[in-house]
Amino acid sequence: DAGVIQSPRHEVTEMGQEVTLRCKPISGHNSLFWYRQTMMRGLELLIYFNNNVPIDDSGMPEDRFSAKMPNASFSTLKIQPSEPRDSAVYFCASSQTGVDGYTFGSGTRLTVV
Amino acid sequence: EDKVVQSPLSLVVHEGDTVTLNCSYEVTNFRSLLWYKQEKKAPTFLFMLTSSGIEKKSGRLSSILDKKELSSILNITATQTGDSAIYLCAGLAGANSKLTFGKGITLSVRP
Repeated sequence: DAGVIQSPRHEVTEMGQEVTLRCKPISGHNSLFWYRQTMMRGLELLIYFNNNVPIDDSGMPEDRFSAKMPNASFSTLKIQPSEPRDSAVYFCASSQTGVDGYTFGSGTRLTVV
Repeated sequence: EDKVVQSPLSLVVHEGDTVTLNCSYEVTNFRSLLWYKQEKKAPTFLFMLTSSGIEKKSGRLSSILDKKELSSILNITATQTGDSAIYLCAGLAGANSKLTFGKGITLSVRP
């Protein structure tokens, strides 16, 4: 099992550009979570999906952020336009309903200059 | 809004010391409390605690949940430099598997 796969590992972009982060959950896991981690705020849940359906997006900071899960094996988190305050590590995690404990991907370190 | 608070925020100890990391939670429809260790990359799972008063152990690490006090502790005995990391606790809510994390405790173990 390759685990949760995120890409890219690092992303440096200029303010105003669109950024797309990608995640492939573990096969068979039906819940997927996007988290953002900063020194100031720790790990914050942005949005999570259950069976490809967004369940709670209350953590998405603003309309510049959007997430999709077109199928059980792929999700994207898009920021458009990006701002320097979006700089953080973005983690994707997946789990299987009824089995507690997430598996995290290695994260995408985003730097917006 | 669900909330998880950890203390202390950071800790520096010497190899061989014993440390206790604290976590308190306010989570609606609380189901379980989880502990993770984060080194340079992604958090890795340590323990999941669902029942109050039952200690879970893994080598030099142990953890227990107190549902009356809405808290948990993680103990590490005979600390080693490899224990240096951020330790995160998280409350698991209801049937939707939503985890709310604390900000983490940065543990530094000096040789």
